Amino acid sequence: KNEVEQSPQNLTAQEGEFITINCSYSVGISALHWLQQHPGGGIVSLFMLSSGKKKHGRLIATINIQEKHSSLHITASHPRDSAVYICAVSYNNDMRFGAGTRLTVKP
Amino acid sequence: NAGVMQNPRHLVRRRGQEARLRCSPMKGHSHVYWYRQLPEEGLKFMVYLQKENIIDESGMPKERFSAEFPKEGPSILRIQQVVRGDSAAYFCASSPQGTTQITQYFGPGTRLTVL
Repeated sequence: KNEVEQSPQNLTAQEGEFITINCSYSVGISALHWLQQHPGGGIVSLFMLSSGKKKHGRLIATINIQEKHSSLHITASHPRDSAVYICAVSYNNDMRFGAGTRLTVKP
Repeated sequence: NAGVMQNPRHLVRRRGQEARLRCSPMKGHSHVYWYRQLPEEGLKFMVYLQKENIIDESGMPKERFSAEFPKEGPSILRIQQVVRGDSAAYFCASSPQGTTQITQYFGPGTRLTVL
């Protein structure tokens, strides 16, 4: 079993839909990160969370430390949101990554 | 302020050759992390370096792989005698402090293809 599990693996949505991607982890962590990997391969850090909730534009990330679970929400999704979204946890000196959720938003 | 730079962006090597991947961190960042993304797989931690020191290399394969981050110049990930299984995207990331509790800034990656 992976230390970081994401669901769903693949997600297709229509433009404007509300999207939720989930992440569960099994190790003690100091922080959780949400990353975005575009089709060209570049990786951008979206959020770093250690508790509660953060919001940036149409993106919202939440974490429940007791339940070892985090969610990434996208409101009013747009085709340019199409990417792979990766959950990662800070563990000792390194990060452990989920397999990613491939999101496709259709116009 | 330039972001994290990696070069080359694409590297093709034949089996048995050496591959050298370079990473220049963001200005002011003295901590570098290397990650590998195998085809159709997730990212995996390889090594964490601070200037002139390897802090954690627990994710590095025991043979053929080495990394350095000299006092001057970029961090280098070196793969000797490459094999087809080394084909992957190699990303580096940098941060100003030595903790994964802050944002890491990723480079564009080097895509290594071993023929």
